[in-house]
Amino acid sequence: AQSVTQLDSQVPVFEEAPVELRCNYSSSVSVYLFWYVQYPNQGLQLLLKYLSGSTLVKGINGFEAEFNKSQTSFPLRKPSVHISDTAEYFCAVPSSNDYKLSFGAGTTVTVRA
Amino acid sequence: GAGVSQSPSNKVTEKGKDVELRCDPISGHTALYWYRQSLGQGLEFLIYFQGNSAPDKSGLPSDRFSAERTGGSVSTLTIQRTQQEDSAVYLCATSRANSNTGELFFGEGSRLTVL
Repeated sequence: AQSVTQLDSQVPVFEEAPVELRCNYSSSVSVYLFWYVQYPNQGLQLLLKYLSGSTLVKGINGFEAEFNKSQTSFPLRKPSVHISDTAEYFCAVPSSNDYKLSFGAGTTVTVRA
Repeated sequence: GAGVSQSPSNKVTEKGKDVELRCDPISGHTALYWYRQSLGQGLEFLIYFQGNSAPDKSGLPSDRFSAERTGGSVSTLTIQRTQQEDSAVYLCATSRANSNTGELFFGEGSRLTVL
């Protein structure tokens, strides 16, 4: 079964600084990858997804991620964060060739002024 | 409403009691998922409904957990004889079709605390 590992549980960052959240996946077949964000006391919402084509994927709120097959990674980046980016971020992959998304443990990003 | 609606938003119960959590999907979304979110554990898949097909119950942690979806719309997750380890946020998500490339739309969750 495919799975993802998020290597950082907590990432503190200052406002206007860049941030990168790590995500490694395990798969020997074609991969679809997702990043979701969960703002405090809200449900998850899709930030971006990689299905095929260009390895650099742009999402909402200025986030982007780059699919790296050789390193089996899909890091999420933002060049300049805002206080409002404080949230938990989840990397996800379909468990096998079916519909169930398998989520990482999440990375909590705290942006400070 | 336009989004996935879950109720109650918060539920505190005593160990051994039964609880029911409800999910109202987005209109027209045929796929419905329940996930459990525990602190530091990520999201754990519980159960999946797609149209009139038999649900995928492979993620349910024990026979105390059950779910149904009436008329292909509203879903109820029932936990019988609750235990303290059942404390978590239960998230419902829906999507337009049975696809692993589509977007899931999540509700805000039902936070369950078992005392």
